[in-house]
Amino acid sequence: DADVTQTPRNRITKTGKRIMLECSQTKGHDRMYWYRQDPGLGLRLIYYSFDVKDINKGEISDGYSVSRQAQAKFSLSLESAIPNQTALYFCATSGRPSGNEQFFGPGTRLTVL
Amino acid sequence: QQQVKQSPQSLIVQKGGISIINCAYENTAFDYFPWYQQFPGKGPALLIAIRPDVSEKKEGRFTISFNKSAKQFSLHIMDSQPGDSATYFCAASTGSQGNLIFGKGTKLSVKP
Repeated sequence: DADVTQTPRNRITKTGKRIMLECSQTKGHDRMYWYRQDPGLGLRLIYYSFDVKDINKGEISDGYSVSRQAQAKFSLSLESAIPNQTALYFCATSGRPSGNEQFFGPGTRLTVL
Repeated sequence: QQQVKQSPQSLIVQKGGISIINCAYENTAFDYFPWYQQFPGKGPALLIAIRPDVSEKKEGRFTISFNKSAKQFSLHIMDSQPGDSATYFCAASTGSQGNLIFGKGTKLSVKP
């Protein structure tokens, strides 16, 4: 089984809809991250969490919110989706004993019409 | 302000050739420099990483060269193979708690 899982893998939604992307991990890591990937723009950090009670904004948090329900679960929400949020979204984790190394999930391809 | 600049954006190399991807950084506090490899439909995965106390690190066909004074580091793929075709990201971070700052990626295509 994969260490970092994301659901759904693909999602098509309409402008204005609320959508939640979910991430679960079995690595026992305390840190979790949400990234957005767009062609030519690389990976941009949306939110990150160092533990259940610690949530921090990343580079591009506007229009997004997150919830850390447990050490193993970190959800990303788009309160009112817009077309320029169409992108590939990745969850990642890091922690002992792997140090700075981040382990990525398989990604969620989101299309907002 | 882009803290990690990566070039080229795309690269085509013949099988058996050397692939070279370059990154430059601005923040002298960065002390961890990884390269991630991403295949289509997959998440990025750590390929190789270096800390600034060494100038080179080699793992199989993959080598990181690090130039602290120039604030540059590069990935060299020797004897490039079609299976190396992927997108490569350089990154940098500070300390054990620092977030990774990624470059914009290089799409490598190795032609048979």
